[in-house]
Amino acid sequence: QVHLVESGGGVVQPGRSLRLSCAASGFTFSSYDMHWVRQAPGKGLEWVALISYDGTNKYYADSVKGRFTVSRDNSRNILNLQLNRLRPDDSALYYCAKAITVGDIAPGSWGQGSLVIVSS
Amino acid sequence: QPVLTQPPSSSASPGESARLTCTVPSDLNVNSYSIYWYQQKPGSPPTYVLYYYSESNKGQGAGVPSRFSGSKDASANTGILLISGVQSEDEADYYCMIWSSNVWVFGGGTKLTVL
Repeated sequence: QVHLVESGGGVVQPGRSLRLSCAASGFTFSSYDMHWVRQAPGKGLEWVALISYDGTNKYYADSVKGRFTVSRDNSRNILNLQLNRLRPDDSALYYCAKAITVGDIAPGSWGQGSLVIVSS
Repeated sequence: QPVLTQPPSSSASPGESARLTCTVPSDLNVNSYSIYWYQQKPGSPPTYVLYYYSESNKGQGAGVPSRFSGSKDASANTGILLISGVQSEDEADYYCMIWSSNVWVFGGGTKLTVL
């Protein structure tokens, strides 16, 4: 059974940094592309980043490109998101998600999310 | 990044059908994209419902009832999620999504109310 647990969220001042992690279990982590998706309170879903199964390919939403970095540690089944130069509009619940299948990279299974609040 | 347009709200009575739409920008052709659909209930993460590219290329999420189906209306450049025989448990927000120009893009979501 797929299990994704995000951690690392919290309250941070504008301009500061934060690192989110997602611990994965219940599947062969190293075989699947992984996503980060966020949702501001009361708002819709916003895709943030995608990393390929082996970490060689990374894609970002324009809104976070150059500030956020996605990475993964396949030896420890961990997905990371480094959030730099944070802004108030980055405040959201950040979900990690596993690709549907090895061949279909859209988000399939989701974690419960980690809340990031950017405020002075 | 493209913008997918979804009506903010829709409603249906139990047993009726609900037709949720996702309009692709006019500079893109809906027939060139797989349209993914997600359901989100309050306080919970989204769940994957299905994707639709064509009748020969589509997929259903694990455990998703067959009364959820996808289609396209090419004349309206729109992807469609059809829920047949709506049940009270189907009340939720529904989001569409596509992969375009190396980014994933969500629609703004439709809140389905079961009357």
